Amino acid sequence: QTVVTQEPSLTVSPGGTVTLTCASSTGAVGIGYYANWFQQKPGQAPRALIYSTNNTHSWTPARFSGSLLGGKAALTLSDVQPEDEADYYCLLDYAGWVFGGGTKLTVL
Amino acid sequence: EVQLVQSGPEVKEPGESLRISCKGSGYSFSRYWIGWARQMPGRGLEWMGIIYPDDSDTRYSPSFQGQVTISVDKSISTAYLQWNTLKASDSAMFYCVRGFSGYNSRWFDPWGQGTLVTVSS
Repeated sequence: QTVVTQEPSLTVSPGGTVTLTCASSTGAVGIGYYANWFQQKPGQAPRALIYSTNNTHSWTPARFSGSLLGGKAALTLSDVQPEDEADYYCLLDYAGWVFGGGTKLTVL
Repeated sequence: EVQLVQSGPEVKEPGESLRISCKGSGYSFSRYWIGWARQMPGRGLEWMGIIYPDDSDTRYSPSFQGQVTISVDKSISTAYLQWNTLKASDSAMFYCVRGFSGYNSRWFDPWGQGTLVTVSS
C-alpha cells in the first residue's frame, strides 16, 4: 500500500515562511496525484486549503500556496500568522486516496 | 449553504454493530463523491473509502476493505459507514467529506462535523 510521508513537525516564527512537503512511496509526486492540503485545528474538522496541487479555494488565505518541489507536493506558508498553528495533512490520489501522516506546525 | 451533517456520538460494546450517517444538503447530492476518514485519538487522518451516490460506485482503502461497509441512500441524500462487529480498536472520530472528481481537478469540501465512536465494555 502507498505510504505518504510528511514532516512530523515544523516550527516557524511569526512573519516567516515555511514549506511543508508530501512524498509518496510510489515515486515522484506529479500533477496526476491531485495533491490536496487540509488544515486541522484541535477539536475541529479538517478544512480544505489547496486542491489539485496548486489551486486555492475561495476562502484560502493568499499566504498559502501549493506546488511541486523536488518530486514532492509542497505547501508554502508565507508571512505566517499565529493562527496558522495547526496540523496540516496532504492527500494524494494514486490508485486510491491516501493521507500523509500530517505535519504539526508550531508558530513560535 | 452546502453542508454535511453527521449523526451523533455513539457508545457501543465490542461485538455490536453500528451504522453512522452523513446527510448532505445545499447541493446535488448524487453528483459528488462522499469520502470517509478515520482519526484515532491523538493520531492523523486515515482515508477509509469513497462512494459515488449516483451509481453507488464504492472504493475502499486496502486497510479498511472488509472491515467496514460504505453505502448510500440517495433518495434521502445520506451516506453511511457501517460495522458488523465492533472492536475496541474501532474507537475513533469519523469524518465524511464531499468530493469532486473532474478531468484535471479533484477536491474535497466541505467536511462533516465528525462522529465520535467509542467502543468499550
